[in-house]
Amino acid sequence: AQSVAQPEDQVNVAEGNPLTVKCTYSVSGNPYLFWYVQYPNRGLQFLLKYITGDNLVKGSYGFEAEFNKSQTSFHLKKPSALVSDSALYFCAVRATLPSSGSARQLTFGSGTQLTVLP
Amino acid sequence: DAGVIQSPRHEVTEMGQEVTLRCKPISGHDYLFWYRQTMMRGLELLIYFNNNVPIDDSGMPEDRFSAKMPNASFSTLKIQPSEPRDSAVYFCASSFSTNQQFFGPGTRLTVL
Repeated sequence: AQSVAQPEDQVNVAEGNPLTVKCTYSVSGNPYLFWYVQYPNRGLQFLLKYITGDNLVKGSYGFEAEFNKSQTSFHLKKPSALVSDSALYFCAVRATLPSSGSARQLTFGSGTQLTVLP
Repeated sequence: DAGVIQSPRHEVTEMGQEVTLRCKPISGHDYLFWYRQTMMRGLELLIYFNNNVPIDDSGMPEDRFSAKMPNASFSTLKIQPSEPRDSAVYFCASSFSTNQQFFGPGTRLTVL
């Protein structure tokens, strides 16, 4: 079974500092990896994804994530945090080429609340 | 494109009543997902459809929950009878093939 771990429930960072939100995964075969962001009282919004190719993926709002196969990680990063980045962030994984329909679902992590302090 | 549309945005009902949540996916998307989000359990996948056919409903908590997708542009999630523990935000999402999912704004359900 596939799974995602977001080890930090809460991350605090000062505005202008770099931020990292951690994610590790477990999946059979090669993964599809996603990051989503959820602002208060809103649905999840897609940020970026890794399918194949370059291990460093660039996404929306200046975010990027680095796929590390040996560490089974897909940490979300941003060089300089903004107060407006404060939100709940979800990592998700899906197996590639699933053999059964049930494996086409995304498995989401528990979420990390990012707070950027002014 | 208007994105995924959900209605109602808020629903307050009394225990024992039937609740119907509605979703219109993005046109052209062939996958539709229903999720439930609570503080205690996070984001849970309830059921998903591919080309209007339910593929995996293993996340549906009880027989009180049912979902239908009569056509490519409409899906419902029904709870009958509703209970206070069903209070949550219910999200609908859609995707084209196995690409990223697009989420609706959610329906906040409160069962008194």
